[in-house]
Amino acid sequence: GAGVSQSPSNKVTEKGKDVELRCDPISGHTALYWYRQRLGQGLEFLIYFQGNSAPDKSGLPSDRFSAERTGESVSTLTIQRTQQEDSAVYLCASSLWSGGSYEQYFGPGTRLTVT
Amino acid sequence: SQQGEEDPQALSIQEGENATMNCSYKTSINNLQWYRQNSGRGLVHLILIRSNEREKHSGRLRVTLDTSKKSSSLLITASRAADTASYFCATNEKGSGNTGKLIFGQGTTLQVKP
Repeated sequence: GAGVSQSPSNKVTEKGKDVELRCDPISGHTALYWYRQRLGQGLEFLIYFQGNSAPDKSGLPSDRFSAERTGESVSTLTIQRTQQEDSAVYLCASSLWSGGSYEQYFGPGTRLTVT
Repeated sequence: SQQGEEDPQALSIQEGENATMNCSYKTSINNLQWYRQNSGRGLVHLILIRSNEREKHSGRLRVTLDTSKKSSSLLITASRAADTASYFCATNEKGSGNTGKLIFGQGTTLQVKP
């Protein structure tokens, strides 16, 4: 079946502009996660959605970052007034159920470059 | 924040040899997971070991967990060129509110030479 998809695959933007990244999770997966990966680094947790519960936003680095999810489907990550340090690959993952007991399936990521 | 520290940062071996990667973490965990990342297939889940387990096998992979030392190791036996990738450990912390939130290490880059 279809895996997690993300769009766009690459995004180049000028400093100060807003960007919106999209994630389509695997159908039926109730949990959705956003991570950021800087070059040569591990993944940093950003935000987590589970069903209708309030999202866990504890990893968002600043108030310029926000994310929404429509029900148990598409999620968008928005970065306002982008800065050069926002340049990274943004990865989305989904899992069948939260609690860490189910493996997370990752999308291919969106590579964001802020010039 | 990054919890895991992985060792070594980079490893180069010949095909057929075994590869061992280590991961240390700082807090109490529910489970620890290993992921592989390469340019062709993105980030892929390899194996999950729960905090009450000490060893787990999956094909050519063997994972150990020592919660007293807060460390884990991943052993890949009879390595293949296709195993060339970056390997990350990720922990699901206790007290994470029953979420699947993972804290990743910095990763080990493995190169398997044919």
